[in-house]
Amino acid sequence: QQQVKQSPQSLIVQKGGIPIINCAYENTAFDYFPWYQQFPGKGPALLIAIRPDVSEKKEGRFTISFNKSAKQFSLHIMDSQPGDSATYFCAACWGSSYKLIFGSGTRLLVRP
Amino acid sequence: DTAVSQTPKYLVTQMGNDKSIKCEQNLGHDTMYWYKQDSKKFLKIMFSYNNKELIINETVPNRFSPKSPDKAHLNLHINSLELGDSAVYFCASSTGGQTNEKLFFGSGTQLSVL
Repeated sequence: QQQVKQSPQSLIVQKGGIPIINCAYENTAFDYFPWYQQFPGKGPALLIAIRPDVSEKKEGRFTISFNKSAKQFSLHIMDSQPGDSATYFCAACWGSSYKLIFGSGTRLLVRP
Repeated sequence: DTAVSQTPKYLVTQMGNDKSIKCEQNLGHDTMYWYKQDSKKFLKIMFSYNNKELIINETVPNRFSPKSPDKAHLNLHINSLELGDSAVYFCASSTGGQTNEKLFFGSGTQLSVL
């Protein structure tokens, strides 16, 4: 019940395309859903996050859509660029649990 | 200045050896973590310390022992290394409390056990 399931495992899009990465969870106690971006040889870095009281959050070209009833959330990258090529992780946690549960990651390649 | 720094970046060692990874953060955060990333990129929490006190200890073998001499440092000592310990180990920190969810990660230590 503590899992966060992420798909797809890998994704290839052309520059300007809109990759979509999906995540699903079971634990209704989760109340914070961040996305992390990881470049090769680096640690993950927080990209954008959402709480379940809103259905969408947008920061620049990155948008999270959240569906509380379906227990799903997704990341959309508008006008994707080759520099967006990285591994993306969704995650979830509850309250001040100090424990962030990560999805399995999606390797995104944006072709020029 | 690097916010979360860990050393060494690469560690190659033989099975059975004992090794340590050091981590330091200069963000003034109260909470520090060790995460393990396996060859499939899966990230899993191992330990968490808040103000030098252990608050999360996942099902990690006893061969792994974290030590936090002060809240800016969290080291990881691994005894009797095994092939399956090969992975990238990430140190991270957060402010703790209601804003603990934003983690700041170091660049990782790639451990290879031969």
